[in-house]
Amino acid sequence: KAGVTQTPRYLIKTRGQQVTLSCSPISGHRSVSWYQQTPGQGLQFLFEYFSETQRNKGNFPGRFSGRQFSNSRSEMNVSTLELGDSALYLCASSLDEVGQETQYFGPGTRLLVL
Amino acid sequence: KQEVTQIPAALSVPEGENLVLNCSFTDSAIYNLQWFRQDPGKGLTSLLLIQSSQREQTSGRLNASLDKSSGRSTLYIAASQPGDSATYLCAVNNAGNMLTFGGGTRLMVKP
Repeated sequence: KAGVTQTPRYLIKTRGQQVTLSCSPISGHRSVSWYQQTPGQGLQFLFEYFSETQRNKGNFPGRFSGRQFSNSRSEMNVSTLELGDSALYLCASSLDEVGQETQYFGPGTRLLVL
Repeated sequence: KQEVTQIPAALSVPEGENLVLNCSFTDSAIYNLQWFRQDPGKGLTSLLLIQSSQREQTSGRLNASLDKSSGRSTLYIAASQPGDSATYLCAVNNAGNMLTFGGGTRLMVKP
């Protein structure tokens, strides 16, 4: 089975712009979660989608949003980019909704905001 | 609010040593705990998943234990190799698929 894929792998944007990142989960997985990783804050949970519904949301401003499509692919959007949004954005997929199964991570999208 | 701490933050050992990485968490009401490995600039690779009802899991040279009542987990790596050099992260699942991560232990295994 193919693993979790994320596109693009690298992005450079300027302050004030917006960006959309994409995540394709492992075939059959319906849960997709997003995380932000920075040197200062480590890995922080952004949100989780299951069957096109956002189930959990982390402590991030409303500029961060996401959605999930009927094929379980997910996108996250960051509007009005700030320098502090520079990070590695990781998505993870899982088979179940309860949280009993392993989460598998993609390679990440590295975003640099200038 | 769940908090996860990993000690030590960094560790350097000669090849062949057995080593233990520690993870502690504040809220024992967890579904499971997962150990990951991260190589520089890369995503996370899942190593072991321990359900809340389990005490340990083993995979090859890796053994992870869980003591939910005391809020602790350890990852034991036997006969370490230079290829084991990476950052090791533990993550606790409290609700659904929302993981809370520790800060990681950066491991260097010297030939």
